Amino acid sequence: DAKTTQPPSMDCAEGRAANLPCNHSTISGNEYVYWYRQIHSQGPQYIIHGLKNNETNEMASLIITEDRKSSTLILPHATLRDTAVYYCIVRARSSGSARQLTFGSGTQMTVLP
Amino acid sequence: DTAVSQTPKYLVTQMGNDKSIKCEQNLGHDTMYWYKQDSKKFLKIMFSYNNKELIINETVPNRFSPKSPDKAHLNLHINSLELGDSAVYFCASSHRGQFNYGYTFGSGTRLTVV
Repeated sequence: DAKTTQPPSMDCAEGRAANLPCNHSTISGNEYVYWYRQIHSQGPQYIIHGLKNNETNEMASLIITEDRKSSTLILPHATLRDTAVYYCIVRARSSGSARQLTFGSGTQMTVLP
Repeated sequence: DTAVSQTPKYLVTQMGNDKSIKCEQNLGHDTMYWYKQDSKKFLKIMFSYNNKELIINETVPNRFSPKSPDKAHLNLHINSLELGDSAVYFCASSHRGQFNYGYTFGSGTRLTVV
């Protein structure tokens, strides 16, 4: 699975959009971009994933560049409860074996009041 | 209804003991996982298991063994506990044919070896 690079930390003002970047310059054609987050003392939580088109769900939007070498997770209106470590993971989607999800160090995002 | 539940939530034990952590999922998933999160907060995969395949991370000591009595359960047995085993252990599950929701994680078991 391709490696990802994320800034170690960032702040966001409450009520503003949070934009979390991720670089995955070695991504291959069959690999998806997944985003998870881990709020303090909780298990990781799935947010969103995509292949090449932009995606949106009730939690966030995912913008993937045309060359797929980077992506941005957008939380449209950040709240204090969005303070967490955000992980960007690139992984091939497999319907076969028990594929494993590999976490990097992520971005600690702090939402400030 | 808790989707992935782990017990116990906290576990304090002495070096050399043998302990188990239980995990159950009620999502109908066919694959389950164990992750370890150390004091530096890195999440590392330990095992992944479905009814056909067990994948073991090569860095996991053989004192750790997963046991799956059925598709809804994947327990973690640890023999001869060491101080370095202190960490938070997370169980997770997924379904090979359903990719829209990713993995579902439990709330973790904080293991402290003294």
